[in-house]
Formats: sequence, C-alpha cells, structure tokens
Amino acid sequence: GAVVSQHPSRVICKSGTSVKIECRSLDFQATTMFWYRQFPKKSLMLMATSNEGSKATYEQGVEKDKFLINHASLTLSTLTVTSAHPEDSSFYICSARLGGGLSSYNEQFFGPGTRLTVL
Amino acid sequence: EDQVTQSPEALRLQEGESSSLNCSYTVSGLRGLFWYRQDPGKGPEFLFTLYSAGEEKEKERLKATLTKKESFLHITAPKPEDSATYLCAVHFVGGGKLIFGQGTELSVKP
Repeated sequence: GAVVSQHPSRVICKSGTSVKIECRSLDFQATTMFWYRQFPKKSLMLMATSNEGSKATYEQGVEKDKFLINHASLTLSTLTVTSAHPEDSSFYICSARLGGGLSSYNEQFFGPGTRLTVL
Repeated sequence: EDQVTQSPEALRLQEGESSSLNCSYTVSGLRGLFWYRQDPGKGPEFLFTLYSAGEEKEKERLKATLTKKESFLHITAPKPEDSATYLCAVHFVGGGKLIFGQGTELSVKP
C-alpha cells in the first residue's frame, strides 16, 4: 500500500516552454502533497505544500508564478514549470502524506521522481 | 533553529561489516523521525517512523533507534544491495513539513 506515482518520469523540453508533472496517490487519499527539488548529490529541497481544494504554500525563494501547483482532487496534484529555462533542469519529486489534520500518522510516501532537462 | 544533521556523509563498508548511521536533530518538539532509502535516480523509499525516545524498529538487516537528541540506523552484516543514500527527516510540532538531513551515502563492497 501507500504507492505514489509520477508522470512523466523523464522530460526534455525547449527553453521557454511549459511542462506539467503529475503526482498521484494510487491507493490512498492525500489531503496534503509536497513537491521537492533535488540537485545531484544533494538532499531534498521542499518547494511547496499542496493542499486539496486550496492554494499551495510555497517555501521562501520559490517563485509561485513559475512553479504552478494544483491539487485538484484527493489523489492528484500537478506541478507546472512555466517558461522553463536551463536552470530549472533538475529532479522533481512529489510526496503524499498518509495522515492528515490531527492524525498521528505523518509518513510521507514519495513518487519515483521526474527528471526535467531544459535545452 | 530546527535542524537535522546526518553523519557520516559517506560510508564505505565491506560486505558483512556492521556499522551505524547517525541522525542528530534540534527541533522544538518532535512529532516523528523518519528514515528513507534513496537509490540513484529514484524517489526516497520509506523505511521507518519513530515517535518517541526509546523506540526501536527493525526490518531485515536494518534497525532504527531513537533518543531525545538523535537516531541511529544500524546495519547488520550489510550486503552490496544495501548500497544507497539513507535520508533522515524530522516532523516537528507546529510544522506540517519534513526537515531532511543531507543524507549518508552508503557503499557496500563484496
């Protein structure tokens, strides 16, 4: 149980185009999902917290107009990188939290990641 | 400031050579400490959650322990397939997100 999928796994795009990445919780409902970015040999950097039915909360330094997040349902969150540039090339990973609200279970389960390359 | 520090950054072991990875934390109130395994080019894989000091959990060759200041991930008689980066993360009171350590890159040679 607690499987999270991401699509696509790998994408190459031209500079100036937009790219959408989907994150789905396959066997549980997730009111909260998270989007991370990871650079080579580095740990995960939280970009934003996505809550179903409300606006995402972005971490300091993350441009919300560039990284659009939509959490349309309890099993789907999307990250759109708008007007992508080569410096946006990275490994993007989503996670979904098993518990919500006052739940004592706070495990996050991660997707397999999406490798974005912007030419 | 809430902080999570993992050591060592890298660890090279021979197959069968047991060792421990450390995760120390300074947070205002711990709600949970999580261990993940990450293989290159993949997302982190959930291993354990620890909620209170004194708690221990085991899975195959791995055992995680927790004190009020740190957690250890003990690896007994490791095999080459245990090679990966091990990430520690903390969920603290008043925060809805995880704070990750920098990870320990484990390499087990046959």
